[in-house]
Amino acid sequence: EAEVAQSPRYKITEKSQAVAFWCDPISGHATLYWYRQILGQGPELLVQFQDESVVDDSQLPKDRFSAERLKGVDSTLKIQPAELGDSAMYLCASSLQRGRTDTQYFGPGTRLTVL
Amino acid sequence: AQSVSQHNHHVILSEAASLELGCNYSYGGTVNLFWYVQYPGQHLQLLLKYFSGDPLVKGIKGFEAEFIKSKFSFNLRKPSVQWSDTAEYFCAVIPGAGNMLTFGGGTRLMVKP
Repeated sequence: EAEVAQSPRYKITEKSQAVAFWCDPISGHATLYWYRQILGQGPELLVQFQDESVVDDSQLPKDRFSAERLKGVDSTLKIQPAELGDSAMYLCASSLQRGRTDTQYFGPGTRLTVL
Repeated sequence: AQSVSQHNHHVILSEAASLELGCNYSYGGTVNLFWYVQYPGQHLQLLLKYFSGDPLVKGIKGFEAEFIKSKFSFNLRKPSVQWSDTAEYFCAVIPGAGNMLTFGGGTRLMVKP
């Protein structure tokens, strides 16, 4: 069964450092999502791509976070500089359809700890 | 603000007990509804979904959920839980025709053997 891949699975960094997370969606999925899940809460959407274009990044803290999906396939989420409050699980998801309601399939996530 | 509420944060049951987890949302109009499960150490997996049609939806592993539009609810049920159902359960909603998935805060279920 095809799955969303993410790396690294765990990342420990010091505040003010830069971190990057990678996501490879299910093959053929047009839409890719990055979520942040703080311990004890549900995931919250950070950014949504349709192919290589950003559809929604209204919840992305753009002063320190950036995301790209240059060729419309895999994606990178970057934080620079990291802050203590960024400690969370970062989840990537993908869905097949463009612009239509569809099931989202999630990867295993990257657990970030900022010291 | 529009939201998804899961009122039970922690539930503890014995094996073979019946389960019902509540989910309420505050969106008007058309909604698409999901339950996801996260087993310990694993990623979020889809349990079931409702887009339209029969409001009683059957999912994997014996779970079902009922969409009651008048109550803005989509409660998850299972008649007899097993120890392997120990997990965190998330209700999620997409309002309208888009892809903006909003999650509830989750319910952590522990099933005692």
